[in-house]
Amino acid sequence: SYELTQPLSVSVALGQTARITCGGNNIGGKSVHWYQQKPGQAPVLVIYRDSNRPSGIPQRFSGSNSGNTATLTISRAQAGDEADYYCQVWDSSTVFGGGTKLTVL
Amino acid sequence: EVQLVQSGAEVKKPGESLKISCKGSGYSLTSYWIGWVRQMPGKGLEWMGIIYPGDSDTKYSPSFQGQVTISVDKSINTAYLQWSSLRASDTAMYYCARHAALYCSATNCFDRGGMDVWGQGTTVTVSS
Repeated sequence: SYELTQPLSVSVALGQTARITCGGNNIGGKSVHWYQQKPGQAPVLVIYRDSNRPSGIPQRFSGSNSGNTATLTISRAQAGDEADYYCQVWDSSTVFGGGTKLTVL
Repeated sequence: EVQLVQSGAEVKKPGESLKISCKGSGYSLTSYWIGWVRQMPGKGLEWMGIIYPGDSDTKYSPSFQGQVTISVDKSINTAYLQWSSLRASDTAMYYCARHAALYCSATNCFDRGGMDVWGQGTTVTVSS
């Protein structure tokens, strides 16, 4: 079965840029979606189809996808961006990455 | 407003049955696939399966096939997740979510939009 690999944790200084990676075999050939989940809340879609932002998601959130790695980039990180982030693709079924805890220092 | 509203928290004993619900509003439930996602305490997201309310076409994750049943009553815009015999290991938060742009043929699906609307979650606790 297809696997997505994310770092367990990423730290970023307030106002700096955070990058969260999602690795998978030829993931560049798939559509990658990203979710933000804050404690006690349901996930929220922040990027769909590699690099598109749903309405209401700040422009600070962006995504890219090529080769074996997809990346979620959060510019000018804010305290409110602290959350778990999950990547997701479809490969015979929906597959989620293990999730990355983002800490804003 | 487009939303999915799930049924309330449940506390059950091992071996009991359970059916939780997910009611859609603000859009036509029959036009989008609805998925169910499990999140065990302190863990990540696990996809359980999906249903297309228009024709009740259902697909399960191999990990959950035979363990749960996904169904829908499109007359009341509601999807369901049910267990016939709960186990302590079913203790988790369960989310329903709408697939924004999932297109399925007989042999494969293409997910162009991710899951754009999520229910608030239903906590299921199974304990003797």
